[in-house]
Amino acid sequence: GQNIDQPTEMTATEGAIVQINCTYQTSGFNGLFWYQQHAGEAPTFLSYNVLDGLEEKGRFSSFLSRSKGYSYLLLKELQMKDSASYLCAAGRGKLIFGQGTELSVKP
Amino acid sequence: GAGVSQSPSNKVTEKGKDVELRCDPISGHTALYWYRQSLGQGLEFLIYFQGNSAPDKSGLPSDRFSAERTGGSVSTLTIQRTQQEDSAVYLCASSLALEGDTQYFGPGTRLTVL
Repeated sequence: GQNIDQPTEMTATEGAIVQINCTYQTSGFNGLFWYQQHAGEAPTFLSYNVLDGLEEKGRFSSFLSRSKGYSYLLLKELQMKDSASYLCAAGRGKLIFGQGTELSVKP
Repeated sequence: GAGVSQSPSNKVTEKGKDVELRCDPISGHTALYWYRQSLGQGLEFLIYFQGNSAPDKSGLPSDRFSAERTGGSVSTLTIQRTQQEDSAVYLCASSLALEGDTQYFGPGTRLTVL
């Protein structure tokens, strides 16, 4: 079967670091995507990992371990505007999405 | 255009009516996808088109749902005899090719079936 699991919600403090985990089971794996979705808006692309390891892009980093079916998104120096839903997705062509992790950043 | 566009942005219809949702992908993108997002739920794959290949319709929830892509560009998702459970945001995405390419999403169409 195909399944993506991530925590439903997380809370963190402005300026802190937060790690959002994602585990997956998919057929025809071709990479792991992370998207950010603000309420009422379309998902926007954050990162894509196809090889094991850490990909860093500014304040955001994403990690993948294909052998463990595991990924995480790391957000540093949190800002209030980072409050959003973070979606983990995997697949081959058509993506299977997790339910999303609702992140609340508090002052 | 600069990004994926969808119309209408909002659609309210009565149960039993047919609706058509439109998607204009990013110019030059050969792959086009439809997803839907129900309240508090994750995105659910519906259908995708890649070039001239037969579409993958494996995510369509019932035969009331169908989609076309004309001229390899614009796509229309049609829902016949709408039901209240069809209420959701319908998102369209496009990518340069199929595998491994980033999918860019449009703003979505919010469908409400009364």
